[in-house]
Amino acid sequence: QVTLKESGPVLVKPTETLTLTCTVSGFSLSNARMGVSWIRQPPGKALEWLAHIFSNDEKSYSTSLKSRLTISKDTSKSQVVLTMTNMDPVDTATYYCARIRLRDYDSSGYYYENAFDIWGQGTMVTVSS
Amino acid sequence: ETTLTQSPAFMSATPGDKVNISCKASQDIDDDMNWYQQKPGEAAIFIIQEATTLVPGISPRFSGSGYGTDFTLTINNIESEDAAYYFCLQHDNFPLMYTFGQGTKLEIK
Repeated sequence: QVTLKESGPVLVKPTETLTLTCTVSGFSLSNARMGVSWIRQPPGKALEWLAHIFSNDEKSYSTSLKSRLTISKDTSKSQVVLTMTNMDPVDTATYYCARIRLRDYDSSGYYYENAFDIWGQGTMVTVSS
Repeated sequence: ETTLTQSPAFMSATPGDKVNISCKASQDIDDDMNWYQQKPGEAAIFIIQEATTLVPGISPRFSGSGYGTDFTLTINNIESEDAAYYFCLQHDNFPLMYTFGQGTKLEIK
């Protein structure tokens, strides 16, 4: 069974750096057809894609947040880490990680072109002094 | 970057109804549109891939249509368990980036 679980602080202060960890199970971060993405959703607002990373260490970041984000992975620990610097109250949100499945077939023969096929339940982060 | 306009933001339906949720892309994205369902406190569920393909295990009451810039998620014969937040997601390939629609909260009366 594939699962992703987000973990990190519940509360951070303005200007601090947020570090979030996505721990995955049921698949390997070395799988060439899979990656992990981070997404967030402020209360009452839309989802926002933040960043992703693939097995070959290819990374991509949201244009608007690129200067503040760093994504990395530790394959041996099955973890993907996202850091966001200079946190502000507007960054208060539920943060999710999701597996990206890229041009891959599952055991039943179903083809995934490019999909966030499995999501974590999310972790709520509040930014307040 | 492609932007998505999803509508309506909120809708209410009665069991047995048919509902349509729209997602419009700011430029032609072929069929690179996926749809998801999310219930409070739960992980999002992948329901439609590449605009029209139902994900295995998802009820056939769900269907997707569209190509290019206009896409629709249709739920037939609404059931109480369909009450959820639905959102669309598209990807740009070069560079690879993702954009979400604003989401639709579906209430069942």
